[in-house]
Amino acid sequence: KQEVTQIPAALSVPEGENLVLNCSFTDSAIYNLQWFRQDPGKGLTSLLLIQSSQREQTSGRLNASLDKSSGRSTLYIAASQPGDSATYLCAQPHGSSNTGKLIFGQGTTLQVKP
Amino acid sequence: DGGITQSPKYLFRKEGQNVTLSCEQNLNHDAMYWYRQDPGQGLRLIYYSQIVNDFQKGDIAEGYSVSREKKESFPLTVTSAQKNPTAFYLCASSNPHQPQHFGDGTRLSIL
Repeated sequence: KQEVTQIPAALSVPEGENLVLNCSFTDSAIYNLQWFRQDPGKGLTSLLLIQSSQREQTSGRLNASLDKSSGRSTLYIAASQPGDSATYLCAQPHGSSNTGKLIFGQGTTLQVKP
Repeated sequence: DGGITQSPKYLFRKEGQNVTLSCEQNLNHDAMYWYRQDPGQGLRLIYYSQIVNDFQKGDIAEGYSVSREKKESFPLTVTSAQKNPTAFYLCASSNPHQPQHFGDGTRLSIL
């Protein structure tokens, strides 16, 4: 069964710290991997999408990496700010289909303390 | 601005009642999706549609129904057969190999 796992479920850090969120997946034959942000009571906002041919993607203070051989992706947040507090979810396409179906991890809830 | 609109934001269902959640997009996306999110769990796919007048069951379709009569609209009906409907429902849309765009969700509770 294809699974996506995120550990830890929650993380609390002081403002200014650099941090890494982890995502593990069982299907290494993936098209891409996506990272999303979810604020409380809101929908998801796409942060980064890494294609299978890429090793990393960067957007501002965010850097996402992809290691297909080990089945892992990381989201690196530099110089964290209280506004970064949210739940971060990773997702990969379901199997080898082209339906757009995504398998989500359970998410990591990040709290950045001022 | 282009986006996805879900309504209502909050919805209450009485026992034995069917309720319909609205999802409209003006992004000209071909595909649309409905997810359910429970506390401590990731999103689970209920139904998806890749093209107008066609849709497929996701992982937890029992107790739900959908229609896709227009490209812009993908309403979800939570039927009385869904015995545990309390959850946060999210609608999304996309084009192939592009990130999915999400609405702000509908929170459904039982009266």
